[in-house]
Amino acid sequence: DIQMTQSPSSVSASVGDRVTITCRASQDISIWLAWYQQKAGRAPKLLIYAASSVQSGVPSRFSGSGSGTDFTLTISSLQPEDFATYYCQQTNTFPRTFGQGTKLEI
Amino acid sequence: QVDLQESGPGLVKPSQTLSLTCTVSGGSINSGSYYWSWIRQPAGKGLEWIGRIYISGITNYNPSLKRRVTISVDTSKNQFSLKLTSVTAADTAVYYCAREVGVYNWFDPWGQGTPVTVSS
Repeated sequence: DIQMTQSPSSVSASVGDRVTITCRASQDISIWLAWYQQKAGRAPKLLIYAASSVQSGVPSRFSGSGSGTDFTLTISSLQPEDFATYYCQQTNTFPRTFGQGTKLEI
Repeated sequence: QVDLQESGPGLVKPSQTLSLTCTVSGGSINSGSYYWSWIRQPAGKGLEWIGRIYISGITNYNPSLKRRVTISVDTSKNQFSLKLTSVTAADTAVYYCAREVGVYNWFDPWGQGTPVTVSS
C-alpha cells in the first residue's frame, strides 16, 4: 500500500493567515493526488484534484502543488469557514489511501 | 447535480453482516465512466477506502477487507450496495458512499454518511 503522511497533524492559525499543509507519499504517484476538507459531522468535500486543479466552486484562496512524492495544500488567507480537517488522498493505485488528516484550528 | 444517500441499519450485532445501500439521485448511475465507492471513518479517526464498483460489475476491494466485502450495483434502482460479513467492533464507523470521477480518480460527490455501530 502507498502510505500518505501529512504534516503537521494539527495547526493553529488566525483569520487572514497563510497556511501550508504538506503531504508525502511513500512512492512516486506523479500528480495522482486529491485534497479534501472535512468539517465536524460532515462528509469530506473535494478541494483539489490532480495535485493542483481546483474543483469548481472552491474559493481561489485554496491551491495545491507538487508531484512525485511531495505535495502541498495552501490556503492563502484563512477565513472563518476554513477551520476544518484536511486530508490528502492518492488516486494512483489500489488500495486508495488517505493521509491521517491535518486539523486546522483557530 | 448528482447526490448520494446512504441507508441501512445503524446497529449490527457482532459476527453478523453489515448491509448498506447508496441511492444515486439527480443522474443515472449508468451515465459516464464512473466508479461507485464505499469509504469508512471510525469516530475521531481517518478515512479508509473499502472498495468500488463499475456498472459492468467490475469491482476492486481493499485487500485488508477483501475476504469480507461484497459491493454490488442495481442499475434499475440507481443504487449500489455494500455487504461486510463477520463484523466486529472494529467495523464501527461512519460509512460513506462516493463517486470516483475523472482521469485522476478523485471522489466527488460524497454521501452525507451513515453511522454504523457493531454491538450486541
